[in-house]
Amino acid sequence: GAVVSQHPSWVICKSGTSVKIECRSLDFQATTMFWYRQFPKQSLMLMATSNEGSKATYEQGVEKDKFLINHASLTLSTLTVTSAHPEDSSFYICSAHQYGQGTYQPQHFGDGTRLSIL
Amino acid sequence: QQQVKQSPQSLIVQKGGIPIINCAYENTAFDYFPWYQQFPGKGPALLIAIRPDVSEKKEGRFTISFNKSAKQFSLHIMDSQPGDSATYFCAASSDSGTYKYIFGTGTRLKVLA
Repeated sequence: GAVVSQHPSWVICKSGTSVKIECRSLDFQATTMFWYRQFPKQSLMLMATSNEGSKATYEQGVEKDKFLINHASLTLSTLTVTSAHPEDSSFYICSAHQYGQGTYQPQHFGDGTRLSIL
Repeated sequence: QQQVKQSPQSLIVQKGGIPIINCAYENTAFDYFPWYQQFPGKGPALLIAIRPDVSEKKEGRFTISFNKSAKQFSLHIMDSQPGDSATYFCAASSDSGTYKYIFGTGTRLKVLA
């Protein structure tokens, strides 16, 4: 149980393109989803917290107009990288916290999206 | 105060050895401490988690030891295997309702056959 699916797993696109990444909880409902960015051989950097039906909360230094987050249902959150540039190339990972569970429950992670901007 | 310090940065052990990874925190409001395993190109997978009301928790070959007074916790991998070669992250969160994690910097483990 507690499977999180992330799509696409890999995307290459030209500079200036907008890219949408989907994060779905397959067998549970998630009121809260998180988006992380990970550089090679580094830890996960939280970008934003996404709550179903409300605006995302962005971490300091993350451009909310560059990284648009939508959490329209209890099983789907999307991250759109707008007008992507080479410096946006990275590994993006989502996670989900199960609805109805308290603090002492883990986040379940997707398998990430490798984004390469040419 | 929000940091979680993880050590060592990398670790090499022989098959069957017991690698130990340590994490330390400052914020006494942290009350949930999970460990994740990450293989290259994959997302982190939960291994085991602990709350500060217990000092040790075992799940299979993985054990967490927790020292509340020292604000430290560690992961022990018993009878390590080459398949355990991965990056391990500790994390901490508090009962603030946001469910946010503070991650450690990660430990790259290599288990030699």
